[in-house]
Amino acid sequence: GESVGLHLPTLSVQEGDNSIINCAYSNSASDYFIWYKQESGKGPQFIIDIRSNMDKRQGQRVTVLLNKTVKHLSLQIAATQPGDSAVYFCAETANGDYKLSFGAGTTVTVRA
Amino acid sequence: GAVVSQHPSWVICKSGTSVKIECRSLDFQATTMFWYRQFPKQSLMLMATSNEGSKATYEQGVEKDKFLINHASLTLSTLTVTSAHPEDSSFYICSARPLGTDQETQYFGPGTRLLVL
Repeated sequence: GESVGLHLPTLSVQEGDNSIINCAYSNSASDYFIWYKQESGKGPQFIIDIRSNMDKRQGQRVTVLLNKTVKHLSLQIAATQPGDSAVYFCAETANGDYKLSFGAGTTVTVRA
Repeated sequence: GAVVSQHPSWVICKSGTSVKIECRSLDFQATTMFWYRQFPKQSLMLMATSNEGSKATYEQGVEKDKFLINHASLTLSTLTVTSAHPEDSSFYICSARPLGTDQETQYFGPGTRLLVL
């Protein structure tokens, strides 16, 4: 499954399939990006981050891709599990500013 | 490591009363803590940046006299919603940036749900 975080805020994916969550950003000065997972009624949980000097970073079952040319960020989740159901937010900051700007969020629902 | 707690986890109050929410970094020190507000099915909106030993910096449109912030120590920041009204009902989330790091990563608390009747 694939979604554009700002234009298609929900994503339904079959358990076991890969998920792709997209995020567009507008600030060309943004140089640090983070993906957060937020389960219902809880605070955001750090998933993975990437700096602008990289275009890909991998974690456990997750990969973040950064395309600075088109100001686009994506989160790929491999073998999506029911526990992956949550809202996913991208966040960005620029020039060492510690204030984060959050995207609109994408709700991911995993079908059994 | 890097655990942030909030207290209370939820609170119901009458209109006109004040409510205090605590944010604690449990296993690290934080010079900077952030307060966010999140309405249902919306993203997190930064309200203010709390710095230990100095006045908080508020985002545009956030009333500093309405939302009082005190960062009394390197592990505790409090947000007081004064004279709360139903429109203040929301999910309030804090985050903390560890002392001594140049990384921008913030660790978030579990949030406090406020309902003003």
